[in-house]
Parts: sequence; C-alpha cells; structure tokens
Amino acid sequence: AQSVSQHNHHVILSEAASLELGCNYSYGGTVNLFWYVQYPGQHLQLLLKYFSEDPLVKGIKGFEAEFIKSKFSFNLRKPSVQWSDTAEYFCAVTMNTGFQKLVFGTGTRLLVSP
Amino acid sequence: GAGVSQSPRYKVAKRGQDVALRCDPISGHVSLFWYQQALGQGPEFLTYFQNEAQLDKSGLPSDRFFAERPEGSVSTLKIQRTQQEDSAVYLCASSFSSGSSEQFFGPGTRLTVL
Repeated sequence: AQSVSQHNHHVILSEAASLELGCNYSYGGTVNLFWYVQYPGQHLQLLLKYFSEDPLVKGIKGFEAEFIKSKFSFNLRKPSVQWSDTAEYFCAVTMNTGFQKLVFGTGTRLLVSP
Repeated sequence: GAGVSQSPRYKVAKRGQDVALRCDPISGHVSLFWYQQALGQGPEFLTYFQNEAQLDKSGLPSDRFFAERPEGSVSTLKIQRTQQEDSAVYLCASSFSSGSSEQFFGPGTRLTVL
C-alpha cells in the first residue's frame, strides 16, 4: 500500500528564514505528487503538483518542490518565508492509474514569527 | 464561482445516534471523494463516486458508514449508531474528471460524538 511520511511535525521559523519540509512516499510505480496547504480557518487548497513533467515544480506564493525519483522524495521549499505562510502543510500522492484517491502524510504545522 | 460546500459545519451527536453529512460539489464535477481526518492526522480516503456510481468504498471503516450520490451531484455520508472513535473532520472533495485533475476540498464537517 502507498504511504507518505512527513518528517517534521512542527516547524517554527522567523520571517525571511528559508524553509524546507521533507516528504517521502513509498510506491514503486508512477505517481503524481502534491503539496496542499491549510491556512487557519480555511479549506485545504492546492499549493503545487507534480504530474510527470519537470521535476522542479513551482507553485503559488513562491513555493517550489523537487521530485527526486531515486530518493522517493518531494520536498517543499521556499527561500524566504513570511508570517502569512503560517499554516499546516500536507504532502500527498496518487497512483498514475485509475481514479486519483489522495494518500496524505500526517502534515507539518509551520509557525512563522514576525 | 462557488466552491465545494458541506453542511453542517459542526455536528455533535450522542453515542448511538445516526448522522448525515452533506456535500455539494462544484457544478459539473464528475468525481467526488470523501475523506476522514482525525485530530493530528492527515485526511484518509473513505469512498469515491464517479457521477452516481460508487466505484470504491474500500476506506469506509465499518458497515455503519454509508455514502450515496443518487443523481450524480450532491452526496451524503451517513454514519449509523455513532461511536466516539467516529469523531473527526469529514472532508468532501470534487474534481472535474476521474483522471489526473486537481481535487477541490470543502470546509469539512467536524463531528464530535459524546
């Protein structure tokens, strides 16, 4: 069965610090990879996605993620975080066949202090 | 346009009561998913509809859980004889097609079983 691991459960950063959130998945086949974000009091929304194109994916609000197939990883990065990036971040994977049910990691709570 | 809506947003039930949770997907979206999110965890897949057909219900935790989408639009997740372990946020998501397309999430229904 597929699974997703997010190594950091809580991260605290100061504004302007760089961010990297780890995500590893277990599945031997072709996958689609996602990062979702949930801002306080809001819905889950898509931050970025990898669908078998350039392994370096750029998303909204200056976020990017790199798919490294050999490491089964899809880490999220942002060079300089802002207070408004405070949120919970979820990595997710779908198999590239059939319907696209998402398998999520446990999430990382990011707190950015001003 | 309108996003995915869910009602009620909050539900408190006494153990043993039946509950019904409603999801209104984005108009025209073929695919509809239900996920369960326990406290401190990522969402976990419950069931999937393509139009009115329930194509996968492998994630439903017990036969007390039942979902339907009779006209291929609104969906209802019903939980019979609720138990404390059913307390969670129930998320609905819809997507335009069954293939590789973004899932749009609703705000969720927070169910608390006393």
